[in-house]
Amino acid sequence: DGGITQSPKYLFRKEGQNVTLSCEQNLNHDAMYWYRQDPGQGLRLIYYSQIVNDFQKGDIAEGYSVSREKKESFPLTVTSAQKNPTAFYLCASSSLGYGYTFGSGTRLTVV
Amino acid sequence: GQQLNQSPQSMFIQEGEDVSMNCTSSSIFNTWLWYKQDPGEGPVLLIALYKAGELTSNGRLTAQFGITRKDSFLNISASIPSDVGIYFCAGPSTGTASKLTFGTGTRLQVTL
Repeated sequence: DGGITQSPKYLFRKEGQNVTLSCEQNLNHDAMYWYRQDPGQGLRLIYYSQIVNDFQKGDIAEGYSVSREKKESFPLTVTSAQKNPTAFYLCASSSLGYGYTFGSGTRLTVV
Repeated sequence: GQQLNQSPQSMFIQEGEDVSMNCTSSSIFNTWLWYKQDPGEGPVLLIALYKAGELTSNGRLTAQFGITRKDSFLNISASIPSDVGIYFCAGPSTGTASKLTFGTGTRLQVTL
């Protein structure tokens, strides 16, 4: 079945550590996105990529980094520079620009 | 930048009641999308609207594309417990067709 997979579902990070969230899709979508969602809040765009080897900052890119070496994969690294990383992270992909398909999310907690 | 404001922010209703929510923007959108997010999961696309005035149904859900192209409405009839979640409207961002702007969300709670 085609879909978008995020892993892990839950992730714990010590302060000062970098962590990488995985996002893989087998939908043959060109574009991929990372969103952050805080409790009771909406979706805020971190980074997006429209083609391989190219990506753009979203509204809250500081403290995050991404790569897009393969069409299927768009990993997100939460660096130690991100001061408040505890949140729910959502990855999405799209082919025609509309109708995003979302993953099931990764909940990151700083301990 | 573009903003999509949803109202109400949250609502508590009884099972069997009908629900109405809306999404408004200060700028024109050519497409409106409605998503539902179950607790702890990613949003899922419910309905897509592509033309002003369009009315589209998906089971108990009905959405309308406002004629001014600055608003959209979502109605849920005869609500059931599994309707619980956050409902988001979305539309393509200005100048970047591949990027969506999401609304602030309406949180729906259903009591038995």
